[in-house]
Amino acid sequence: QVQLVQSGAEVRKPGSSVRVSCKPSGDTLNDHAMNWVRQAPGQGLEWLGGVIPYFRTSNYAQRFQGTVVITADESTNTVYMELSSLTLEDTAVYYCARDSRPSSGWYRSYYYGMDVWGQGTRITVSS
Amino acid sequence: SSKLAQDPAVSVALGQTVRITCQGDSLRDYFASWYQQKAGQAPILVIFDGSHRPSGVPDRISGSRSGNTASLTITGTQAEDDADYFCNFRDNSGKHVFGGGTKLTVL
Repeated sequence: QVQLVQSGAEVRKPGSSVRVSCKPSGDTLNDHAMNWVRQAPGQGLEWLGGVIPYFRTSNYAQRFQGTVVITADESTNTVYMELSSLTLEDTAVYYCARDSRPSSGWYRSYYYGMDVWGQGTRITVSS
Repeated sequence: SSKLAQDPAVSVALGQTVRITCQGDSLRDYFASWYQQKAGQAPILVIFDGSHRPSGVPDRISGSRSGNTASLTITGTQAEDDADYFCNFRDNSGKHVFGGGTKLTVL
């Protein structure tokens, strides 16, 4: 059973950047989309974007265009999410989550849910 | 509109049936997935494609759709079902939308 292992908690100052990693244990990156979802304290889930490693194509939520970059490195079998221009409102737990079935791309591709989630990475933005 | 509306909180007596709803115009075009999240844990997929259960999810949990509303029904609710539940869909441009979540309290 594949598991997603994320990097550890980080503390950053406003205006800085942070990079979080997500590595599948027991599998290699493939054509399953890898998503990033965050949860602010006491709040709901919010999708930031994702990448389909096999096709090296990323997709982002409109509100995060320009501030989030999600990449996949097949040489290290790791997906990265970098968030820049941090504000206090970016304080949250960040999860990577894998689509349950492969996709040939983001557009008009059927969705069967995200069935494997990482343990979460707490990012705290504080001055 | 791509927004999904969920009741913030619902309660149910142990052993009874509860329905958690998710409303949004986009649900007329897309099937919902549902996630269960217990305190301090990552979410777990419990329903995909509107009504399908991943392996390992108990059959007391079911999903359905009617018009612009997706529903998650738990029959014979157990104490372990006490959790937050989120609905979600992905549109044709690959963008995801999540509902605000429903906190289910089992009494």
